[in-house]
Amino acid sequence: QVQLVQSGNEVTRPGASVKVSCKASGDTFYTSYIHWVRQAPGQGLEWVGWINPKTGGTNPAQQFQGRITMTRDMSVNTAYMEMTGLKSDDTATYYCARELVMVIGGDYFYHGMDVWGQGTTVTVSS
Amino acid sequence: QSALTQPAAVSGSPGQSITISCTGGSSDIGNYNFVSWHQHHPGKAPKLMIYEVNKRPSGISNRFSGSKSGNLASLTISGLQTEDEAHYYCCSYAGRSTWVFGGGTKLTVL
Repeated sequence: QVQLVQSGNEVTRPGASVKVSCKASGDTFYTSYIHWVRQAPGQGLEWVGWINPKTGGTNPAQQFQGRITMTRDMSVNTAYMEMTGLKSDDTATYYCARELVMVIGGDYFYHGMDVWGQGTTVTVSS
Repeated sequence: QSALTQPAAVSGSPGQSITISCTGGSSDIGNYNFVSWHQHHPGKAPKLMIYEVNKRPSGISNRFSGSKSGNLASLTISGLQTEDEAHYYCCSYAGRSTWVFGGGTKLTVL
């Protein structure tokens, strides 16, 4: 059974950086995108960005461009999301989630974020 | 990219049916059949209930169904049960390898 296991909660200061990891079991890395989604306290889900572990290609949401870096280490089936210049409103629970992607005849088919990590709470406070 | 629009709250009694709407635009819901719905209980990870507008992942009850018309997607839950009480989020592919979530709907089972 595919599982995503995230790193532990973090408490950090404004202006600092944080790096969250997401370790996948099985061969999910080879056929999936890994999304990053966050939920600030009392707020809804917000898409942060994705990484294609097979190619290393990434795409952060526009509001995070220049502030986040998504990487992966295929040798340990782990994806990483690093955010810099943290502000208090970056305080949130950050989730990774996998999405199976199929390419048929050059068209992409997205099968939904069906496996989620347990979440990593990042608290930014002075 | 603006969030998709959902009602803040809906409610229903056990056994009833409810529908949650999700309004987007021509750049997301209206242009792609990659709408999904997630159930989220506080303190737990979200759970995929519907993908590609109306498909259910393995293990999801057929009480959950999805549909789409133009820029509007909908999630219908029939035969409401107390354990259905949760927040529900729609999500759509929005082109150029981006995704967007709705603001979320709190479902209360009275």
